[in-house]
Amino acid sequence: DGGITQSPKYLFRKEGQNVTLSCEQNLNHDAMYWYRQDPGQGLRLIYYSQIVNDFQKGDIAEGYSVSREKKESFPLTVTSAQKNPTAFYLCASGLLGTDTQYFGPGTRLTVL
Amino acid sequence: SQELEQSPQSLIVQEGKNLTINCTSSKTLYGLYWYKQKYGEGLIFLMMLQKGGEEKSHEKITAKLDEKKQQSSLHITASQPSHAGIYLCGADIPQNAGNMLTFGGGTRLMVKP
Repeated sequence: DGGITQSPKYLFRKEGQNVTLSCEQNLNHDAMYWYRQDPGQGLRLIYYSQIVNDFQKGDIAEGYSVSREKKESFPLTVTSAQKNPTAFYLCASGLLGTDTQYFGPGTRLTVL
Repeated sequence: SQELEQSPQSLIVQEGKNLTINCTSSKTLYGLYWYKQKYGEGLIFLMMLQKGGEEKSHEKITAKLDEKKQQSSLHITASQPSHAGIYLCGADIPQNAGNMLTFGGGTRLMVKP
């Protein structure tokens, strides 16, 4: 089945630790996106990538890093520099030239 | 202030009642998307509107985009408990690069049986 997957669903991290969230898609989409969602708020763009080995900062990139070594994968690392990392993280993908984005199920990160 | 304003922020309706959610921008939108999110899950694409005055329906949900392409409404007829969730509008606004979407704050819908 085609789709976009994120893992893990729940993640707990101690303060000061880096953690990597996985996002994989087999939809052959060129573009991939990472969003952060806080309670009662909409989505805010962290990073996006339109082609392999290239990515751009979104509105709230500080404290995060990404890589795009393969078309299918766009992992997000939440670094210890991110001051308030507890949130729900959503990954999306889409075809270049279109705005329609398809979302994964999300990862809820909690920093203890 | 957000680029896209959604109203209301939350809504509780009795099963069977109709409801409307609004999404408003001060700028002309290139494309307007409606998504539904079950609590703690990813977003499900509902509809996309691109032309001024466009209207689309899927089952009991109808979305409209006004002629000026600055406001959209999502209307649910005869609501059911399965309609409960968070509804988000996303739009391609003029200052966005590439195919980026800007999202509204969401509307949390509860349907009482």
